[in-house]
Amino acid sequence: DTAVSQTPKYLVTQMGNDKSIKCEQNLGHDTMYWYKQDSKKFLKIMFSYNNKELIINETVPNRFSPKSPDKAHLNLHINSLELGDSAVYFCASSQVHGNQPQHFGDGTRLSIL
Amino acid sequence: GQQVMQIPQYQHVQEGEDFTTYCNSSTTLSNIQWYKQRPGGHPVFLIQLVKSGEVKKQKRLTFQFGEAKKNSSLHITATQTTDVGTYFCAGQSGYSTLTFGKGTMLLVSP
Repeated sequence: DTAVSQTPKYLVTQMGNDKSIKCEQNLGHDTMYWYKQDSKKFLKIMFSYNNKELIINETVPNRFSPKSPDKAHLNLHINSLELGDSAVYFCASSQVHGNQPQHFGDGTRLSIL
Repeated sequence: GQQVMQIPQYQHVQEGEDFTTYCNSSTTLSNIQWYKQRPGGHPVFLIQLVKSGEVKKQKRLTFQFGEAKKNSSLHITATQTTDVGTYFCAGQSGYSTLTFGKGTMLLVSP
């Protein structure tokens, strides 16, 4: 069973469109994260949720809106996609927020045409 | 804010050679974690170091945490082609978020 699963794996779309990425974890973890990895492999934290509550919101354009319907799910909606949004987006989870290992999903490769 | 610097950015070795990547933080860390990302894959947790001067080994991999808890290293002895990937350190201070270094990409030629 996949521990952290993201859908879709690939997303190719045009500038200006709105898209969503879904993430689910079956590890029973309390904390979930969204990371953006650019072409230079830099992993940047975007958001962190603990038990459905937002605890970290890094400097991210407000076109990005996370939603956590329950602690096992953290979805990411992106409005008005721009060329610079092209990247791999990783969802991750950890047992609690803090010094616990993070488990990553396989990533969603977003390409903006 | 907290910064985690990692060097080198890239290293290409012959199979059998050793490899080391270094991580330095601008602040004292409460813990440091290491992850490996294979090409096309996702980061996978390797280990966590918590104590000052801590050394941990996983087969050919040796992880160290500095005495001042501001630096760390990962050393691979006798690299194999299966070691190919990007190695990330990630540090945390207090209750701050985990901050990832930019990673070291390792290429191993047979």
